[in-house]
Parts: sequence; structure tokens; C-alpha cells
Amino acid sequence: DAKTTQPPSMDCAEGRAANLPCNHSTISGNEYVYWYRQIHSQGPQYIIHGLKNNETNEMASLIITEDRKSSTLILPHATLRDTAVYYCIVRSNTGTASKLTFGTGTRLQVTL
Amino acid sequence: DARVTQTPRHKVTEMGQEVTMRCQPILGHNTVFWYRQTMMQGLELLAYFRNRAPLDDSGMPKDRFSAEMPDATLATLKIQPSEPRDSAVYFCASGPPMNTEAFFGQGTRLTVV
Repeated sequence: DAKTTQPPSMDCAEGRAANLPCNHSTISGNEYVYWYRQIHSQGPQYIIHGLKNNETNEMASLIITEDRKSSTLILPHATLRDTAVYYCIVRSNTGTASKLTFGTGTRLQVTL
Repeated sequence: DARVTQTPRHKVTEMGQEVTMRCQPILGHNTVFWYRQTMMQGLELLAYFRNRAPLDDSGMPKDRFSAEMPDATLATLKIQPSEPRDSAVYFCASGPPMNTEAFFGQGTRLTVV
């Protein structure tokens, strides 16, 4: 699976959009971009995933660049409950759940 | 609200003792993962199963760790004998067939003294 690079930490004011970047310059054609987050003392939680088109769900939006070498997770209106570590993971999509390789992620702090 | 259930939530044990952690995957899920999280190493995959058969346990120290699925509703992770360096939070996750998401439990916080 391709490696990813994320900033170690970011701050965001409550109510503003949080834009979390991820670089995955070695991504291959059949690999998807997944985002998970881990709120303190809880297990990781799935957010969203995509291949090359932008994706949106009730939690977030995922913007993948045309060359697929980077992506951005957008939380449109961040709240204090969005404070967490966000993991960007690249892996093949085999149609069933397969292993996730977690990096160090981005620690997002949402402040008043 | 379907969720992965892990027991116990917390465990303190003495070095050398056997530790068994249990996981009840979400009903209907056929893939089960065991992860370990420490401050130093982050989240590491220990093992995972599909349809109760082990697919990959390369991340697990074989001399003291063992993972099994006695049936589709129970996964166990056993450490014998436990050591202080095994202190960590152990997460179980399950995934449904024909879907790539993984759903994590709340974890078991293990402290070996």
C-alpha cells in the first residue's frame, strides 16, 4: 500500500471549515484513499473514501486532485466534537474489508 | 445501533499471567481485525480473519500471542505469558461482506505490571 504524508497537527475555529491535506504521491491506479478519525479514548471511525472523483457524505467531503497524488478532507462546519486524530490511508479496494495501515495522522484541534 | 463489543474494557494484570481479550463482531460481518495501539508505535495490525479463517497474523508475536475465532460471534486474543511491554490498547474491528469499511470497538486497555 502507498505511503501517505500528513501534517502532524492543525487548528480550526468552531464553525469554520477544516481542510486536512494528505500527500500520496506513490499511489497506484487501483488504490483508494480512505479517511478514518480517532476521537480520544475511542476506536477509529470510518469517515469517507474515494478513487478519483470527489466524494461527499453526511460527515465530510473528499477532494482528490486530478493526478491523484494528494487529497483533502473537508469538514464543512467543524465542531468541538470533531477534535480528533485524522488518518489518511491508501489501499487497494478488493470489495471486502482488508487491512488498514495507519500512519501518525493529523491531530485536529477545534477551538471556540 | 450495531457495534463491535470488546471485553473487558480495562485489565490490569501481573507479569507472567495469561490475558484473554474478547470481541463480539457486528452480526453478519465476516472479517475481524485485531489492532494494538501504543504511544510509541501507534496503531499496528496484529491479525485478521475472514469467515473465521486467519488471513494474516504476521504482526503478532507468535511465541506469546494467539488469536482465534471459536465461532462467528466471538473472536479472542490471548497473551501467555504477559509482559510489561504488552501494555497497550487493543482494538477489535469487523467488516461486512461486499463492503470495505471497518468498524472498531472501544478497545481493551491492558496494563501489565
